[in-house]
Amino acid sequence: GEDVEQSLFLSVREGDSSVINCTYTDSSSTYLYWYKQEPGAGLQLLTYIFSNMDMKQDQRLTVLLNKKDKHLSLRIADTQTGDSAIYFCAEVKEGGNKLTFGGGTRVLVKP
Amino acid sequence: DAGVIQSPRHEVTEMGQEVTLRCKLISGHNSLFWYRQTMMRGLELLIYFNNNVPIDDSGMPEDRFSAKMPNASFSTLKIQPSEPRDSAVYFCASSQLRGELFFGEGSRLTVL
Repeated sequence: GEDVEQSLFLSVREGDSSVINCTYTDSSSTYLYWYKQEPGAGLQLLTYIFSNMDMKQDQRLTVLLNKKDKHLSLRIADTQTGDSAIYFCAEVKEGGNKLTFGGGTRVLVKP
Repeated sequence: DAGVIQSPRHEVTEMGQEVTLRCKLISGHNSLFWYRQTMMRGLELLIYFNNNVPIDDSGMPEDRFSAKMPNASFSTLKIQPSEPRDSAVYFCASSQLRGELFFGEGSRLTVL
């Protein structure tokens, strides 16, 4: 199957860490992505990880990949109010160019 | 570069009317994607092109929808006739590298 699933909502206090989780079903996925959508805007690529990696860190963002469990997570350190948005995980299969998106996780950062 | 440019940003029309949404790609990008976003169905891929050629149109809802790329930098998505259930935000995205999409701001369509 091609399902990519995410929890719908996450509430976090400013300054805390946020962890957004994603599961996928297709083991042939080669790249996995995290996109951010702010209100009234299109999606913006945040980061990505290749399927032969376990972890990738980029400033406040840490991506963890458990390929055995087909589980992907995005950790945002020191969450700020500007991090409030919808976060989408997505996968691309080897040889393909088609992104399959999850349903998105709405993150609300409270002051 | 100004990024992916979509027009119109908002359109309100009546059922049965023709709707044309437009998209200008980022210069040098060779892939073009049309997505539709609604609360009920989330983000759906309608169609994508590589080098102006439609590769996968399996997400196009029905014959009322059509998409074209008359040249390497421009695309249109047409709905004729439009129906209330077509109300959504339509996004265009372009890409040069696999999976790294650049989205436009979207066209919000309301069909009354």
